[in-house]
Amino acid sequence: DAGVTQSPTHLIKTRGQHVTLRCSPISGHKSVSWYQQVLGQGPQFIFQYYEKEERGRGNFPDRFSARQFPNYSSELNVNALLLGDSALYLCASSLRVNEQFFGPGTRLTVL
Amino acid sequence: AQTVTQSQPEMSVQEAETVTLSCTYDTSESNYYLFWYKQPPSRQMILVIRQEAYKQQNATENRFSVNFQKAAKSFSLKISDSQLGDTAMYFCAPRGAQKLVFGQGTRLTINP
Repeated sequence: DAGVTQSPTHLIKTRGQHVTLRCSPISGHKSVSWYQQVLGQGPQFIFQYYEKEERGRGNFPDRFSARQFPNYSSELNVNALLLGDSALYLCASSLRVNEQFFGPGTRLTVL
Repeated sequence: AQTVTQSQPEMSVQEAETVTLSCTYDTSESNYYLFWYKQPPSRQMILVIRQEAYKQQNATENRFSVNFQKAAKSFSLKISDSQLGDTAMYFCAPRGAQKLVFGQGTRLTINP
């Protein structure tokens, strides 16, 4: 079975631009979460979606938004990119609360 | 709010030795789960072991085991017979209803 997939793998943007990151969960998983991992730190929670509804939001500005589609895939959108948004963006899916499986991540560089 | 402290930024041991990584956490949630994740240089986050907080018995997965002390809010990871492939960043992460909260990580190096 395929694991969590994310696209693109790498992305380079300039300040002020907009970016969309995509995630496909493990088949059958209805919950998708997004995390930001700045180099040298642990991941920070951004959003959780379950059955297309937002179930949790971390301490991130409104420039960050997300959505989940009927097939449970998800997009993370970031507007007005700042240099500090450069990070590894991780998507995780789960079927139950006692598990969370991560994708390979999208490396975003903002110049 | 949940907080996680991993007091050992870096550790280094010889292959085949046993090593213990420490983690303490704070949470206001009554039902939660605890995880250890491994992140090798590829930066893929890999689940190592998990523990349900309501279970007293410590979880074990092959060479990996935990020492869970609920009252002390301590959740350490023991790696027995360490292997070169165990070299990675290790993150402790409790999870409540919504999210994982990660510590700063411990960089573990296994030397040949």
